[in-house]
Amino acid sequence: GENVEQHPSTLSVQEGDSAVIKCTYSDSASNYFPWYKQELGKGPQLIIDIRSNVGEKKDQRIAVTLNKTAKHFSLHITETQPEDSAVYFCAAALDSNYQLIWGAGTKLIIKP
Amino acid sequence: EAQVTQNPRYLITVTGKKLTVTCSQNMNHEYMSWYRQDPGLGLRQIYYSMNVEVTDKGDVPEGYKVSRKEKRNFPLILESPSPNQTSLYFCASSFRGEGGYTFGSGTRLTVV
Repeated sequence: GENVEQHPSTLSVQEGDSAVIKCTYSDSASNYFPWYKQELGKGPQLIIDIRSNVGEKKDQRIAVTLNKTAKHFSLHITETQPEDSAVYFCAAALDSNYQLIWGAGTKLIIKP
Repeated sequence: EAQVTQNPRYLITVTGKKLTVTCSQNMNHEYMSWYRQDPGLGLRQIYYSMNVEVTDKGDVPEGYKVSRKEKRNFPLILESPSPNQTSLYFCASSFRGEGGYTFGSGTRLTVV
């Protein structure tokens, strides 16, 4: 079955710098890759997603890139702000069964 | 407001006393799912339902039951809770996996 690995487990960056979180997946048939942000005391919230027919997607300061050949995808956050501090999860899924396989999460710390 | 509502938010109970955590969504989503979140283990799926009267086991179903008699509701039942079920539980729903999942605010369960 699918397995998703996420790195790093903790990432500390200076406010204003960029942050990159990487995930690899094992099942080449996976075709949907969402990223979720979980703030303290809340449930995860979808922030961006990408499908396998697209290599990159941007939404303001957030972007996701996908390399299907290498089976990895990354979350890029530019001009980081204090409110970006949270735990970020990547996931992978097949459209056919909607089952999300989750990475272990990355705790992002934005230093003032 | 589109949302997934879980109740209760916090629950402390004793070993063996049956309990139910309710989950309701108002978005007419077909797909609903229960997760538990434990430190260092990320999100693990307990059960999911692809539609009314259709449920299936996730990765960690032992000790849990679910039912999906109506589209909007997906309760999680612990017939005989044990201390190893102390965890943070999330309910989530999705429109056939598209557009991502909407998560509830979580239920923190402690079994003593």
